[in-house]
Amino acid sequence: KAGVTQTPRYLIKTRGQQVTLSCSPISGHRSVSWYQQTPGQGLQFLFEYFSETQRNKGNFPGRFSGRQFSNSRSEMNVSTLELGDSALYLCASSTPRGEYNEQFFGPGTRLTVL
Amino acid sequence: DQQVKQNSPSLSVQEGRISILNCDYTNSMFDYFLWYKKYPAEGPTFLISISSIKDKNEDGRFTVFLNKSAKHLSLHIVPSQPGDSAVYFCAASAYVDSNYQLIWGAGTKLIIKP
Repeated sequence: KAGVTQTPRYLIKTRGQQVTLSCSPISGHRSVSWYQQTPGQGLQFLFEYFSETQRNKGNFPGRFSGRQFSNSRSEMNVSTLELGDSALYLCASSTPRGEYNEQFFGPGTRLTVL
Repeated sequence: DQQVKQNSPSLSVQEGRISILNCDYTNSMFDYFLWYKKYPAEGPTFLISISSIKDKNEDGRFTVFLNKSAKHLSLHIVPSQPGDSAVYFCAASAYVDSNYQLIWGAGTKLIIKP
């Protein structure tokens, strides 16, 4: 099975612009989660989509939004970019493993805001 | 409010010795715990897990110990190898609102010295 893919891998934007990141989950996985990783902050949960519906949401401002399509592919959008949005954005698809959902991560999109 | 804490941002260990990474949690509803490993420019990958009904799980060089009364778990790597140098994330799972939610620690960067 192909793993989780994310595009693009690297992105450079300027303040005030918007950006859309894409994630294709592992075939058969219906849940997609998005995380922001910055040095010292670990993995900060953004949101999770399941069957095209947002199921969970972290504590990020409304500038961060997402959606999921019928084929489980997901996009994340950040509007009015700020310098502090520079980070590695990780997408994970998951499948139930009895008592937990095992998450499989993509390689991430490195966003740099200038 | 950090429900999962990894209080050591980094740890340096001599090759061949034991590496011990620690994780504390506050929510007694967590019933499954996972460790993930992350190399630079890659997404985290699953390493080992433990159910709350157990106090130890072993997989090769990796052993996870769970102390429920202290709400503490640790990952032991023995012997440590250069390829173990990575960031290690602890995560805890709880069944909330008909869904398994995963809460992540901030990560500990492990450096194995030759």
